[in-house]
Amino acid sequence: DIQMTQSPSTLSASVGDRVAITCRATQNINIWLAWYQQRPGKAPTLLIYKASSLQSGVPSRFSGSGSGTEFTLTISSLQPDDFATYYCQHYGGSSTYTFGQGTKLEI
Amino acid sequence: QVQLVQSGAEVKKPGASVKVSCKASGYIFSHYVIHWVRQAPGQRLEWMGWINTANGDTKYSERFQGRVTLTRDTSATTAYMELSSLKSEDTALYYCARTTPFDPWGQGTLVTVSS
Repeated sequence: DIQMTQSPSTLSASVGDRVAITCRATQNINIWLAWYQQRPGKAPTLLIYKASSLQSGVPSRFSGSGSGTEFTLTISSLQPDDFATYYCQHYGGSSTYTFGQGTKLEI
Repeated sequence: QVQLVQSGAEVKKPGASVKVSCKASGYIFSHYVIHWVRQAPGQRLEWMGWINTANGDTKYSERFQGRVTLTRDTSATTAYMELSSLKSEDTALYYCARTTPFDPWGQGTLVTVSS
């Protein structure tokens, strides 16, 4: 089974900072990767799909990159609303939907 | 707008079953798969299965195979997740989500399993 590992698990930053979260897969998953944001007490929301495609309505300060086994979510200039937990997810054939353990972005 | 609204919180005893509903609106229900995901306290998100809302076909995670049943009522534009033989470890938030990748998600249903 493909496993997804995010780093770091916790990230401390300030408003205006540029931050990056990494997600690694144990096998080549091409570009079949999504990123989600989960604010406390809320359901996750889709930010990025196919590794680098921005979901409609998501601010352009969010970007995704990578392919194969290593992926990055970058937030170019942190806003107060961005302090949340972020999850990567592999989705693909054979009904594979595996999440990373999450990265908590805190002030 | 596209929306998924789930049923309310449940408290169940070990060994019982729970059935959670997910009411869809704002789109053609039968055009999109519905997934179910759970989030236990302190754990990562875990995919449970999907249902093809057009024909009722299902696919379950091996981890829940035999304990989870996904159904739908197209006239009510509602999907259901039933989990049986509940254990304390099944205490979690249960989410439904539309299509792949998952967007949008329901608001979540807290299921507490306690004697």
